[in-house]
Amino acid sequence: GAGVSQSPSNKVTEKGKDVELRCDPISGHTALYWYRQSLGQGLEFLIYFQGNSAPDKSGLPSDRFSAERTGGSVSTLTIQRTQQEDSAVYLCASSLVGASGNTIYFGEGSWLTVV
Amino acid sequence: SQQGEEDPQALSIQEGENATMNCSYKTSINNLQWYRQNSGRGLVHLILIRSNEREKHSGRLRVTLDTSKKSSSLLITASRAADTASYFCATDRWAGSYQLTFGKGTKLSVIP
Repeated sequence: GAGVSQSPSNKVTEKGKDVELRCDPISGHTALYWYRQSLGQGLEFLIYFQGNSAPDKSGLPSDRFSAERTGGSVSTLTIQRTQQEDSAVYLCASSLVGASGNTIYFGEGSWLTVV
Repeated sequence: SQQGEEDPQALSIQEGENATMNCSYKTSINNLQWYRQNSGRGLVHLILIRSNEREKHSGRLRVTLDTSKKSSSLLITASRAADTASYFCATDRWAGSYQLTFGKGTKLSVIP
């Protein structure tokens, strides 16, 4: 597609349920990033995929969070046993390569509300 | 952890005035980028300045970088109501893996 596509746009879930957020990066982009943004805050790095390399998972806040990227394209961020503090916008981005100086293109985000 | 810190946190100006936002960071960087975000949704890349550059222009945007002070500024000249948004700086560096770290942003309001 023309840009980074994320789904769902909005998700309301009950505390304790699992959620999956999907990201479809720009075609041909080898680097993919997940960030989290709480209301009125900056972006918190979660995970970074670069080609076939092992992902950088250093930003995942707990073992309830996991992400995978299948076939080097689509990525899914999974949050298990959701908590209210997980409520945030989850932003996905991609770039041609994960290297310094590359422009990063963001999707519109998935707004997660845990009630 | 946050690498970049923008100030002010919020800025309100009249249309036509210039807006200046600052960003400070802690560690050495390769490049610094500025992004814009409308209404808490996706970010849009505005401009990138490399660590060996001191100033860069793009339309009404002017970015400066002072690596000795670990700081950058974004100037928007002749502001418009449509410039109302949050502005973030992001620093990139290699630390075992490629890292792009964002600050908390400056919320700019341009009053018509």
